[in-house]
Amino acid sequence: EAQVTQNPRYLITVTGKKLTVTCSQNMNHEYMSWYRQDPGLGLRQIYYSMNVEVTDKGDVPEGYKVSRKEKRNFPLILESPSPNQTSLYFCASSSTLWGEQFFGPGTRLTVL
Amino acid sequence: GENVEQHPSTLSVQEGDSAVIKCTYSDSASNYFPWYKQELGKRPQLIIDIRSNVGEKKDQRIAVTLNKTAKHFSLHITETQPEDSAVYFCAASGYSTLTFGKGTMLLVSP
Repeated sequence: EAQVTQNPRYLITVTGKKLTVTCSQNMNHEYMSWYRQDPGLGLRQIYYSMNVEVTDKGDVPEGYKVSRKEKRNFPLILESPSPNQTSLYFCASSSTLWGEQFFGPGTRLTVL
Repeated sequence: GENVEQHPSTLSVQEGDSAVIKCTYSDSASNYFPWYKQELGKRPQLIIDIRSNVGEKKDQRIAVTLNKTAKHFSLHITETQPEDSAVYFCAASGYSTLTFGKGTMLLVSP
């Protein structure tokens, strides 16, 4: 089954404790990205990757890191989480930027 | 960077009525305009998209129109049904990023 998976689905953590949210797709897609969704603000792009080893900042990259060592995986890293990073996070992949984005199920993160 | 404005933020209609959601974008280089539907507690899913070389596209009860000169595009849903109730997002894409509007919550009352 073609899909995008994310783990964990829910996470409660404390300020400053490093965490990683994994994202994996099995559709051989070139383009992957991370979004955060906050009430009233819609979906905002954090980082994107056009291909392996190629990543770039989106609209709200501060406090986040990513890597794309393999085509299928695109983890999101929060080195020192803060309460303002409490949000719903979605990973997405697509064959190109100008095609359907397939979203993962989302990760609800709470930073205390 | 690109800026996408979406209106209205909330739209309530009676079942069977039409619904229209409008978006404007700022970057004239944007050339791909998708619409996503997000039901409560679920992930966004593509419902229709349009490219800059097309003025209108239809898929059953859903249609999208694009005015490149005015830099705006709209989603039209006819004969709305309760299952159309969801949050709808427009988006615009240029060379590297996809920018979303803030979303419209559509409520369809039986």
